[in-house]
Amino acid sequence: NAGVTQTPKFQVLKTGQSMTLQCAQDMNHNSMYWYRQDPGMGLRLIYYSASEGTTDKGEVPNGYNVSRLNKREFSLRLESAAPSQTSVYFCASSVEISPQPQHFGDGTRLSIL
Amino acid sequence: GQQLNQSPQSMFIQEGEDVSMNCTSSSIFNTWLWYKQEPGEGPVLLIALYKAGELTSNGRLTAQFGITRKDSFLNISASIPSDVGIYFCAGRDTSYGKLTFGQGTILTVHP
Repeated sequence: NAGVTQTPKFQVLKTGQSMTLQCAQDMNHNSMYWYRQDPGMGLRLIYYSASEGTTDKGEVPNGYNVSRLNKREFSLRLESAAPSQTSVYFCASSVEISPQPQHFGDGTRLSIL
Repeated sequence: GQQLNQSPQSMFIQEGEDVSMNCTSSSIFNTWLWYKQEPGEGPVLLIALYKAGELTSNGRLTAQFGITRKDSFLNISASIPSDVGIYFCAGRDTSYGKLTFGQGTILTVHP
């Protein structure tokens, strides 16, 4: 029962480097999401994909791009990492975008020096 | 955008005590969700609420969807050490469609 799997779990980057965070779900969910979690700020939505083939911006999309590769996989790319992007990144999925609850992965802890 | 205020920010309690936390929003929500996050893991759904006035229990946890549709409450009865973690509320309104999360309540339970 893997649920939502994120890789890598930890990563350290230098400013300006690029990186792709991977996410896969095995629950046959249609909708997938990327959040970032910063101390005292809860989770903020970066991008989401309501269904395969569609992606939309969330609350904090600047500096990120996403790809919904297929129904199972949704990747998040940082083209030129900045220290402000140091955070914990969570991928989530749900059966549909609304009103279903979301199931989360265990996160990717990203530090940018 | 939506604003969610979750309180308290942190709680330090003795094992066996009851816990209450709440979230208030600046707009009307049609869904309220409560999650728990333990260190090194992602949030896990505890309770989902879909109707104003709804009261739902999950073991020692009880959550309510406020009648005004702008607030929700989570109560934990007879706390135990494994209740330690960060509790998040999340709400969704009809126009925005995506979840908005509260800032979280950090719960520490002393044995």
